[in-house]
Amino acid sequence: QITLKESGPTLVKPTQTLTLTCTFSGFSLSTNGVSVGWIRQPPGKALEWLALIYWDDDKRYSPSLRSRLTITRDTSKNQVVLTMTNMDPVDTAKYYCAHKLSAAGTPFDYWGQGTLVTVSS
Amino acid sequence: SSELTQDPAVSVALGQTVRITCQGDSLRSYYASWYQQKPGQAPVLVIYGQNNRPSGIPDRFSGSSSGNTVSLTITGAQAEDEADYYCNSRDSSGDHVVFGGGTKLTVL
Repeated sequence: QITLKESGPTLVKPTQTLTLTCTFSGFSLSTNGVSVGWIRQPPGKALEWLALIYWDDDKRYSPSLRSRLTITRDTSKNQVVLTMTNMDPVDTAKYYCAHKLSAAGTPFDYWGQGTLVTVSS
Repeated sequence: SSELTQDPAVSVALGQTVRITCQGDSLRSYYASWYQQKPGQAPVLVIYGQNNRPSGIPDRFSGSSSGNTVSLTITGAQAEDEADYYCNSRDSSGDHVVFGGGTKLTVL
């Protein structure tokens, strides 16, 4: 059974760096064809893809946020970490991590419950 | 702005059929997926690939594709289908993931 769970601060100040951890079970990010992504959703707004990390440590980022994002993995801990620098109130959102097979067109088939991050001074 | 375009809102009478569409140039090359999201909950995958339903998704949900448009059809909409629906695929480069802006489905 695949599960994912996001963790991190619920409140960050403007200009700070956000670090979120996705802890998962039921699969290995070392397995060929597996990836984990981060997606966020501001209150009342649409889903927005942020980043994706593949089983071979290849990484992809949203072009609009590329300069602020870093995604890494710790295969021994079954964790994926997302850092986002220079946080702004517009980054207030629920942040989700999700499992995805790497082939193009495959979906995010398992999602975490999400973690709400508020950016405010 | 999203490379996948969805109508913001659609309504359907209880028991009737509704089609929710998603348009984008990349859809000529890549499959799309559809997610259902109810208030306060994480998205749930309902359709992926050519027209595949994950286990547990009712067969009243189906998907189709034509040119640059993919569609999610709910045949015999139920009250519990009222939700936001998002399409998802790759961008035109193939390197990045994109989501549509979402469609709010109201079941009357």
